[in-house]
Amino acid sequence: DIQMTQSPSSLSASVGDRVTITCRASQGISNYLAWYQQKPGTVPKLLIYAASTLQSGVPSRFSGSGSGTDFTLTINSLQPEDVATYYCQRYNSAPHTFGPGTKVDIK
Amino acid sequence: EVQLVESGGGLVQPGGSLRVSCAASGFAFSSYAMNWVRQAPGKGLEWVSSISGSGDYTYYADSVKGRFTISRDNSKNTLYLQMNSLRAEDTALYYCAKLRSEIAAAAANYWGQGTLVTVSS
Repeated sequence: DIQMTQSPSSLSASVGDRVTITCRASQGISNYLAWYQQKPGTVPKLLIYAASTLQSGVPSRFSGSGSGTDFTLTINSLQPEDVATYYCQRYNSAPHTFGPGTKVDIK
Repeated sequence: EVQLVESGGGLVQPGGSLRVSCAASGFAFSSYAMNWVRQAPGKGLEWVSSISGSGDYTYYADSVKGRFTISRDNSKNTLYLQMNSLRAEDTALYYCAKLRSEIAAAAANYWGQGTLVTVSS
């Protein structure tokens, strides 16, 4: 099965910083990648699909890039409400594996 | 407005069975594939199973294959997960999620609030 890894596992940044999270697939998955945000005690929320398409209603400070095996989620100008755990997920074929998550908080 | 409401969770003994349900509304249910995703306490997200909009195609994680069965009743706008031979490691909050497409190769754009399944003696 294709494994998904994320780095870093956690990060602390200041309000207004640019934050980058990396997701890597053990084999190529084209652009079949999604990013989700899960705030503490809440349900996951879709941010990005098809590696770089912003889900409707998601702030434009979030962006995604990549194809094949290496993907990036960028938060431009981190806001206090962005404190959350971020997960990537591949969905090119079963199993639709999630990455282990990256926990983001404010310094 | 899309709504997904899970039910049927609870406490079950190891080796027991449970069926959880997800009542969907606010969209053309049969036109969209659905997922079950679980989250053990304090842990990350784990994809469990997917089903196409027609119900003709189903997919499972290796950890549940042969024990869990996903199904849907498009006349009732309801998704199901039948869980047999439950183990302690199946303890989790079980979310149903609507996918963006009729086929399972899609991201999940709406999630329910989850139903808690606890496997313990």
